[in-house]
Amino acid sequence: SQQGEEDPQALSIQEGENATMNCSYKTSINNLQWYRQNSGRGLVHLILIRSNEREKHSGRLRVTLDTSKKSSSLLITASRAADTASYFCATHGAGSYQLTFGKGTKLSVIP
Amino acid sequence: ETGVTQTPRHLVMGMTNKKSLKCEQHLGHNAMYWYKQSAKKPLELMFVYSLEERVENNSVPSRFSPECPNSSHLFLHLHTLQPEDSALYLCASSQEQGAYGYTFGSGTRLTVV
Repeated sequence: SQQGEEDPQALSIQEGENATMNCSYKTSINNLQWYRQNSGRGLVHLILIRSNEREKHSGRLRVTLDTSKKSSSLLITASRAADTASYFCATHGAGSYQLTFGKGTKLSVIP
Repeated sequence: ETGVTQTPRHLVMGMTNKKSLKCEQHLGHNAMYWYKQSAKKPLELMFVYSLEERVENNSVPSRFSPECPNSSHLFLHLHTLQPEDSALYLCASSQEQGAYGYTFGSGTRLTVV
């Protein structure tokens, strides 16, 4: 299975602090994607990192990928209360339509 | 609005009812997906359609029946559901087998009573 596993399951921080979430997976991938989900809503695509990339930035987001360790991390800098949501990593295999998700990290940013 | 629209947003149905979920995308994507999200479980891929053809069959009970009449519309027909089928059903679309990411709809919250 290419299922991603996020760590921690839940994270609570103060506004302004940085939040780091980790993801591990089991098999080779084409790319790894991070999504955000506000309570009871659909998922929003945040960032995609390809298997030949090691780091990617988008605004306050920084994603790293270590294919030798089959792991990725998502860093949100200078967090805001509006960042409160669940964050999921998802792995995509070459030649496959399937995007396989982990259980997510529930982030709470306290004002 | 993400460009993927799901209706209805909420649905309550009895176990003997028949209902349908609808998904529509205007992004020009060539693949559409149904995912199921239950509490404390990872998102489960149910069905994938590429250019209106079903691909990558997953083990889904026959009480769930998908339909893709064209590349912009996807339906999930429901009949004789069980209470454990209560969940958030998410539709998504993508281009190039999802190599650039998926766009999700807001989901249909289904409750089976």
